[in-house]
Amino acid sequence: EVQLVESGGGLVQPGRSMKLSCAASGFTFNNYDMAWVCQAPKKGLEWVATISYDGSSTYYRDSVKGRFTISRDNAKSTLYLQMDSLRSEDTATYYCARWAPKGGVMDAWGQGASVTVSS
Amino acid sequence: DIVLTQSPALAVSLGQRATISCKTNQNVDYYGNSYMHWYQQKPGQQPKLLIYLASNLASGIPARFSGRGSGTDFTLTIDPVEADDTATYYCQQSRNLPPTFGGGTKLELK
Repeated sequence: EVQLVESGGGLVQPGRSMKLSCAASGFTFNNYDMAWVCQAPKKGLEWVATISYDGSSTYYRDSVKGRFTISRDNAKSTLYLQMDSLRSEDTATYYCARWAPKGGVMDAWGQGASVTVSS
Repeated sequence: DIVLTQSPALAVSLGQRATISCKTNQNVDYYGNSYMHWYQQKPGQQPKLLIYLASNLASGIPARFSGRGSGTDFTLTIDPVEADDTATYYCQQSRNLPPTFGGGTKLELK
C-alpha cells in the first residue's frame, strides 16, 4: 500500500523557517517525481513545487521561488520542503503527493501537515 | 498560467446524476491526450485521484464516476450519486507549468 506521511508542521513566526518531511513507503520512491501542494484554510488547492525522481530538476510556483526549497533523500525515501522567510499567506495545510508518470497527475497524497505563520 | 473555472456548488438528489464542469482558458490537449484530472476531497481529508487524462478511471474508483471532454471543456459525472459522494471536487491541468487547479465544486445532497 502506498503511504505518504508528512511531519514537521506547526506554528512559526513570520520571517522564520520551517522544514517539512514526507516519508514514503509502499512503492519505489526513486522511480517517481514528487510534489508539494498546499491548501490555505477554507480555500482550494495550489501546487507549490515538484522535484524529479533523481532530484536533478526542481520547479516552483512564483510566490515561493527563492524562499522554499524542495529536496529528497532517495536512500531514506523521504521528501522535504524547506520553507524560509515565511509569511502569513503561507499558512496552509501542505500535502506531499506522488507525481505519476502518466501525464502529470498526482495519484497518491499524504494526510497533510498544517503550517501556521503568525506572531 | 492556465485558469480553470468550476461552479462553486451543486446540489443533487440521491440516486440522480451529478455533472460537474471545468472550463480552461487555454487548450490542455497535447499529442492526443487531454491533460485534465479530477480529485475528490472530503472534509478533513487529503484529495483523492478519481480521473486522469480526462477520462481514465483511477485505481479503486467505482465506475459510477466518469470523465469526458477535450480542449477547454471537461466534465466529471457521478451516476448514480450516493451519500458518500458529498465532497468537493477539483479539476487540475498538467498541460503547462505551473499545474493549476479549479476552485472546486462542492457537491451537496438535496
